[in-house]
Amino acid sequence: EAQVTQNPRYLITVTGKKLTVTCSQNMNHEYMSWYRQDPGLGLRQIYYSMNVEVTDKGDVPEGYKVSRKEKRNFPLILESPSPNQTSLYFCASSLIPNSYEQYFGPGTRLTVT
Amino acid sequence: ILNVEQSPQSLHVQEGDSTNFTCSFPSSNFYALHWYRWETAKSPEALFVMTLNGDEKKKGRISATLNTKEGYSYLYIKGSQPEDSATYLCAFIHNDMRFGAGTRLTVKP
Repeated sequence: EAQVTQNPRYLITVTGKKLTVTCSQNMNHEYMSWYRQDPGLGLRQIYYSMNVEVTDKGDVPEGYKVSRKEKRNFPLILESPSPNQTSLYFCASSLIPNSYEQYFGPGTRLTVT
Repeated sequence: ILNVEQSPQSLHVQEGDSTNFTCSFPSSNFYALHWYRWETAKSPEALFVMTLNGDEKKKGRISATLNTKEGYSYLYIKGSQPEDSATYLCAFIHNDMRFGAGTRLTVKP
């Protein structure tokens, strides 16, 4: 089944404790992206990757890191999480977003206390 | 700053009503516009990918139009049903992807 998976789905952590949210897709998509969703603000892009070893900042990259060592995986790293990073996070992938839709993962709800 | 605006913010209609909402985006450097449907507690799902000025796309009772010269897209739902209740998002593709805040549609039986 074609899908985007994220883990964990729910995470409660404390300020400053490094964490990684994994994202994996099995559709051989070049483009992968991370978003955060906050009430009233819609989806905001954090980072995106056009292909392996190619990553770019989105709208709200501060406090986040990503890597794209393999085509299928695009982990989101919070080196020192802060309470303002409490949010719902979505990973998504696409062949080429100019021409093809994105497929979204199930979401990760992160709470930083 | 590439702002994507959606209106209205929310909409309540009766079952059977037809409705439409708007996505406004910068008219310069247009690559593509996406429409997504997002149900509560689920992930966004793609409705349409629109790339050419004048594009019209249709999926069942839902259709969309695109005007890249003036920077807007309309989404239409004909004969709304309760299962159409969701938030409808548009996304402007430049180098990155910019989403609007969405239009939350509630269809009352």
